[in-house]
Amino acid sequence: DADVTQTPRNRITKTGKRIMLECSQTKGHDRMYWYRQDPGLGLRLIYYSFDVKDINKGEISDGYSVSRQAQAKFSLSLESAIPNQTALYFCATSDPGQASYNEQFFGPGTRLTVL
Amino acid sequence: SQKIEQNSEALNIQEGKTATLTCNYTNYSPAYLQWYRQDPGRGPVFLLLIRENEKEKRKERLKVTFDTTLKQSLFHITASQPADSATYLCAHQEHSASKIIFGSGTRLSIRP
Repeated sequence: DADVTQTPRNRITKTGKRIMLECSQTKGHDRMYWYRQDPGLGLRLIYYSFDVKDINKGEISDGYSVSRQAQAKFSLSLESAIPNQTALYFCATSDPGQASYNEQFFGPGTRLTVL
Repeated sequence: SQKIEQNSEALNIQEGKTATLTCNYTNYSPAYLQWYRQDPGRGPVFLLLIRENEKEKRKERLKVTFDTTLKQSLFHITASQPADSATYLCAHQEHSASKIIFGSGTRLSIRP
């Protein structure tokens, strides 16, 4: 089984709808992240969480919210989706305590299309 | 703010040659500079990293160099193979506890 899973893998929705993307991990890592990837712009950090009680905004948090339900689960919500949120979304985990260099372990991604 | 720049143009080289990818950063040197591989439709996968006090790091056919004067890291794949075709991302980590800033990646194609 994959260490970092994301659901759904693909989603098409309409402008104004509320969408939730879910991420689960079995790696036992405290740190979890949500990124979006757009062609030519690379990976940009939306939100990150260093433990269950810690939530931090990333580079592009406007229009998004997150919930860290447990160490293993981190959800990303789009309260009212708009077309420019069409992108590939990745969840990632890390555990720098073991290696200090914060290697990121990525899920398979969710392709979101907002019409 | 810190910017990580990679060549956006795809790199096409012949099998067996050495592929060299460039990563430049604009401001402060990172504590760690990481390299990832991403295949189409999949999440990036960590390959290796180099620390700020290291000049070179090797792993099998991969080699990374780091020049803090030039604010640049080079990523080399020797004896390249078509299976090495992918997008390669560099990532800047300021210190051990910080989040990571990714470059936009360079697509590498190895032709037989």
